[in-house]
Amino acid sequence: QKEVEQDPGPLSVPEGAIVSLNCTYSNSAFQYFMWYRQYSRKGPELLMYTYSSGNKEDGRFTAQVDKSSKYISLFIRDSQPSDSATYLCAMSAASGNTPLVFGKGTRLSVIA
Amino acid sequence: DADVTQTPRNRITKTGKRIMLECSQTKGHDRMYWYRQDPGLGLRLIYYSFDVKDINKGEISDGYSVSRQAQAKFSLSLESAIPNQTALYFCATSDTNGVQPQHFGDGTRLSIL
Repeated sequence: QKEVEQDPGPLSVPEGAIVSLNCTYSNSAFQYFMWYRQYSRKGPELLMYTYSSGNKEDGRFTAQVDKSSKYISLFIRDSQPSDSATYLCAMSAASGNTPLVFGKGTRLSVIA
Repeated sequence: DADVTQTPRNRITKTGKRIMLECSQTKGHDRMYWYRQDPGLGLRLIYYSFDVKDINKGEISDGYSVSRQAQAKFSLSLESAIPNQTALYFCATSDTNGVQPQHFGDGTRLSIL
């Protein structure tokens, strides 16, 4: 079993839909959770950064962590065509002495 | 100017050639990383360096070598390129002090014929 599992998609939704992107993980030592967005021909860019369990909201984006289920989610409200990208989850243990562990990414298309 | 700069952006070369990909950063970060990205396989870590005197192998280091010339510079070499090393290569940096997000360059698209 990989440390981090992420459905690769592709996921196609109409403009204005609520999008839910998810990752599961197996390492209970993970405490820090991130979501990256990657546009075509660009490097991944940090979108959300959360610590431990709970929710964090930033505009149309909400990151949710459920450590008891080892499950993290990214919700996008009122999705826009400009949200079309690949979304990667990443996580790390508290020590920070090892590199981030990334999911494989989910490709999202928002259709106008 | 970009904070993490990768050169070249695109490269086509032949099997058996030696290739160097370069990464420089202006973020002042101590930690630097090299990844390759392949369709369906996601980002895979090749090498990482937590400071100038530190080099560590990642998940897929065979066939690759690195050099950390300075805090701001981290280069990746393919000693004798082979076609299955055709991929998108990314350099990333992060700050020290606990768990910090990584900041990526825009990648080098490498094709080996």
